[in-house]
Amino acid sequence: NAGVTQTPKFQVLKTGQSMTLQCAQDMNHNSMYWYRQDPGMGLRLIYYSASEGTTDKGEVPNGYNVSRLNKREFSLRLESAAPSQTSVYFCASVRAPLGDEQFFGPGTRLTVL
Amino acid sequence: AQSVTQLDSQVPVFEEAPVELRCNYSSSVSVYLFWYVQYPNQGLQLLLKYLSGSTLVKGINGFEAEFNKSQTSFHLRKPSVHISDTAEYFCAVTTGANNLFFGTGTRLTVIP
Repeated sequence: NAGVTQTPKFQVLKTGQSMTLQCAQDMNHNSMYWYRQDPGMGLRLIYYSASEGTTDKGEVPNGYNVSRLNKREFSLRLESAAPSQTSVYFCASVRAPLGDEQFFGPGTRLTVL
Repeated sequence: AQSVTQLDSQVPVFEEAPVELRCNYSSSVSVYLFWYVQYPNQGLQLLLKYLSGSTLVKGINGFEAEFNKSQTSFHLRKPSVHISDTAEYFCAVTTGANNLFFGTGTRLTVIP
């Protein structure tokens, strides 16, 4: 099992450009999440998908959109990147949210110039 | 709403010495508690979790944590640290259903 995979690992964008971060899990998990990690702020939830076909906003959704393409894949899109979106982005998945651990991908380091 | 406080942003400790990383939480309802570890340039891995039952929880790599409901704490301990324990440690809390809240992290540096 590969677990949770993310692409790309690194990305540099110019302000106003768009891009999609890809995430896939092979553990047959129901719920998937996108977090951003900034120095001194821990991880903050951007969006989540409780099950295939549903998505909901987390703590910091502004400037992002998501798509739960199928049970395996959950993508995060930046339509018009801003320097404030410079961060490390993590995707995670869990079989069942109540008490199960979340499994994390290796992260995508994004820099917006 | 829930929140997590990790008071120590950095903890240096000598190799083979004991360490305690502090975590306090606030919630008006019952919670589940987690400690995750992040090694450099990697994602997070679960160290241990408290769901219910015994308040002393043992995890991987010799770590343990104690849930104290009256003090709303879930401190992480290890009796003897190794160089390989150098990493960032995150405490997290949830009441279930997609609302996992993380603390700001504690960077543990083990000094040879």
